[in-house]
Amino acid sequence: AQSVTQLDSQVPVFEEAPVELRCNYSSSVSVYLFWYVQYPNQGLQLLLKYLSGSTLVKGINGFEAEFNKSQTSFHLRKPSVHISDTAEYFCAVSGSGFQKLVFGTGTRLLVSP
Amino acid sequence: DVKVTQSSRYLVKRTGEKVFLECVQDMDHENMFWYRQDPGLGLRLIYFSYDVKMKEKGDIPEGYSVSREKKERFSLILESASTNQTSMYLCASSFFRSSKNVQYFGAGTRLSVL
Repeated sequence: AQSVTQLDSQVPVFEEAPVELRCNYSSSVSVYLFWYVQYPNQGLQLLLKYLSGSTLVKGINGFEAEFNKSQTSFHLRKPSVHISDTAEYFCAVSGSGFQKLVFGTGTRLLVSP
Repeated sequence: DVKVTQSSRYLVKRTGEKVFLECVQDMDHENMFWYRQDPGLGLRLIYFSYDVKMKEKGDIPEGYSVSREKKERFSLILESASTNQTSMYLCASSFFRSSKNVQYFGAGTRLSVL
């Protein structure tokens, strides 16, 4: 069975600093990987996705992620965060066959001035 | 833009009540999903449906049922609400069977069972 691990439950960072949110997955088959963001009192919104091809994926709001098959990781990065990036971030994986997303437990990004 | 609408943002119910959570999508998506979100546990799949009148159990179906009579509408039913069902419920939809397809989420319903 697929699983996703987000080791950091909370990441505090100062505004304009870089940030990396870690995601590791376990799967023995080809996977598709997603990062979603949830702003306070809202549903989830897609940030970016990896389906195939280039391992560096660019998303909305200046975020990017790198797919590393050998390390089974899909870490999310942003070179300079804003206060408005304060939110919860979820990594998710789906495999071949019917689309069922498996989510990590989420990482709360707290950006302070 | 895809729109997934959940009928209520907040609900307060009493133990033992029958509760209906409604979700409507306007993009003609075949797949629809119900998740519950709890702190520290992320999102867990309750039920999903890939066609009208079709339903499949997710990872935590106990205490829940679903109904999909029309393509655009997917209802989650708590037959007899209990306090451990206090949670945030999220509905999502996506195009037909492909793992590549993005799921689009509603804003969520925060349910409190007293």
